[in-house]
Amino acid sequence: KAGVTQTPRYLIKTRGQQVTLSCSPISGHRSVSWYQQTPGQGLQFLFEYFSETQRNKGNFPGRFSGRQFSNSRSEMNVSTLELGDSALYLCASSRTGATEAFFGQGTRLTVV
Amino acid sequence: KQEVTQIPAALSVPEGENLVLNCSFTDSAIYNLQWFRQDPGKGLTSLLLIQSSQREQTSGRLNASLDKSSGRSTLYIAASQPGDSATYLCAVVSNFGNEKLTFGTGTRLTIIP
Repeated sequence: KAGVTQTPRYLIKTRGQQVTLSCSPISGHRSVSWYQQTPGQGLQFLFEYFSETQRNKGNFPGRFSGRQFSNSRSEMNVSTLELGDSALYLCASSRTGATEAFFGQGTRLTVV
Repeated sequence: KQEVTQIPAALSVPEGENLVLNCSFTDSAIYNLQWFRQDPGKGLTSLLLIQSSQREQTSGRLNASLDKSSGRSTLYIAASQPGDSATYLCAVVSNFGNEKLTFGTGTRLTIIP
């Protein structure tokens, strides 16, 4: 059974650019959540999607957005990148959102 | 607002010892609690999930307990091995319909051969 797949694994972007990250959840899982991990702030919740609808959103600026497709794959987008957006972005999938969460390997974003 | 704390932030023990990692949370109205491990630069690996109605869960050398009323969970690792070296994170899903994980800051565990 395939796990959670995140692409790309590494990205280097310039300030002001935008970036799109992708997450393919475990087959049969309908909930996809995104987290940002930094050394200073730890793991922080970005948003959660279930059946193509954003159910929950964390305390991040509007530059962070996401979507989920009918096959449950999800993308997150960050526009007008800032140096502080450099982080490991992790995607988690679960059957319903409150069941066991499984994480991907993450996308390491570096903004220069 | 739910807050999750893990103490100590770092722990070093000799190989073969049994050890306990601690996790505390401020709001006892949780749906479940999950323990993860994270290797440097990698994603999170789920270790154990405890539902709010359960007291403990076991998987191999790992045993996690939950005391919801006191807002505490412990992860017990028996007969530690160098491969257990990693950062261990606990996270809770709160009851109030917000299906997000609130994470502690983790305990970095080093097993000394």
